[in-house]
Amino acid sequence: ETGVTQSPTHLIKTRGQQVTLRCSSQSGHNTVSWYQQALGQGPQFIFQYYREEENGRGNFPPRFSGLQFPNYSSELNVNALELDDSALYLCASSLAGLASDYEQYFGPGTRLTVT
Amino acid sequence: LAKTTQPISMDSYEGQEVNITCSHNNIATNDYITWYQQFPSQGPRFIIQGYKTKVTNEVASLFIPADRKSSTLSLPRVSLSDTAVYYCLVGSTSGTYKYIFGTGTRLKVLA
Repeated sequence: ETGVTQSPTHLIKTRGQQVTLRCSSQSGHNTVSWYQQALGQGPQFIFQYYREEENGRGNFPPRFSGLQFPNYSSELNVNALELDDSALYLCASSLAGLASDYEQYFGPGTRLTVT
Repeated sequence: LAKTTQPISMDSYEGQEVNITCSHNNIATNDYITWYQQFPSQGPRFIIQGYKTKVTNEVASLFIPADRKSSTLSLPRVSLSDTAVYYCLVGSTSGTYKYIFGTGTRLKVLA
């Protein structure tokens, strides 16, 4: 157990809809990253938040957005869902700010299916 | 950004040592390397992390040559429970943060 939880576990949405996925970081971790993992592929970095501000982003369009809250929870929002958005969405928390401590603790993920 | 590639799959027998190599030719000076293990329907789990030379912990060793264009994860005496997908991750802290996962290596441990 990493102490990172995600909700919901599974979700089915229709193309064009909007979705919000939630993550609760390990206590004390000030950084959260979100990843998209398509079936049979490695995780793809979406973005990272540090102290409630985005400080890194992968090659994802603006319809992927996020929020991080002071209580160590965070959200991933996806607008105008497309069929290709179907994937496992992972969040990972870490304690940034130390010289070499970049270990990320992953949650179990949310399986999103877009029909 | 560093592009990472790994062998697609490997088979091994219980008790053997397994070495998995990741290629990251464009790695930048400040990038570090981390390896993760992932079981089906679970999030990746941290194995080991390093920047250069050799790092060892209670479950694995990580070898990084001087040019840092590759890294090798070494798992001593694997067991059936080590059957999983293994990913290398290159983490960039130059400017904004970015993380590049490798293609993943599916390790199957046979009895």
